[in-house]
Amino acid sequence: NAGVMQNPRHLVRRRGQEARLRCSPVKGHSHVYWYRQLPEEGLKFMVYLQKENIIDESGMPKERFSAEFPKEGPSILRIQQVVRGDSAAYFCASSGGIANEKLFFGSGTQLSVL
Amino acid sequence: EDKVVQSPLSLVVHEGDTVTLNCSYEVTNFRSLLWYKQEKKAPTFLFMLTSSGIEKKSGRLSSILDKKELSSILNITATQTGDSAIYLCAVDAGGTSYGKLTFGQGTILTVHP
Repeated sequence: NAGVMQNPRHLVRRRGQEARLRCSPVKGHSHVYWYRQLPEEGLKFMVYLQKENIIDESGMPKERFSAEFPKEGPSILRIQQVVRGDSAAYFCASSGGIANEKLFFGSGTQLSVL
Repeated sequence: EDKVVQSPLSLVVHEGDTVTLNCSYEVTNFRSLLWYKQEKKAPTFLFMLTSSGIEKKSGRLSSILDKKELSSILNITATQTGDSAIYLCAVDAGGTSYGKLTFGQGTILTVHP
């Protein structure tokens, strides 16, 4: 019973490069959430997706960030032209989308921008 | 803007002590309050408290929701070194967006042998 799988665990990018973070939800879950944890801060909601649909992206920066959850394959969080301030731990969570259902979190991807 | 505040931010105790972690919230559309334990990296679920379930217990851990005071406590009795972690409180108040959680800053608990 695999949980939420994220890869890579660690990602190093230079300023201006692109970062792609992948998330495979718990088997059977069709709802995916991305959260960001900056140093010394709590987890912040970024985006909520269902298969092929973005449901709520109110926490996503307006520029350079995008997310998708295709019909087949993992969810992808994409950060274009990374800057040092993007360095953070990015967590993915999944659920079955039922009211009052807990989220299962992955181990996160630690993004470091040089 | 929805807000969740945890206290204390850090706590150091010895094995066998009892600890109480606090969480207060100001949100528009409260649905549930959740506690997670974060070791190394992945937050793992502890409890969910709703209007219909304001007290939960699992072994040495227990949690209570006070909807009048807009707060919750997490109690850990007879602490062990394995309880050392960051404890996160989160509130689901996302309206139609289930799972859109607002997290507190976390409480760093250190248990010394």
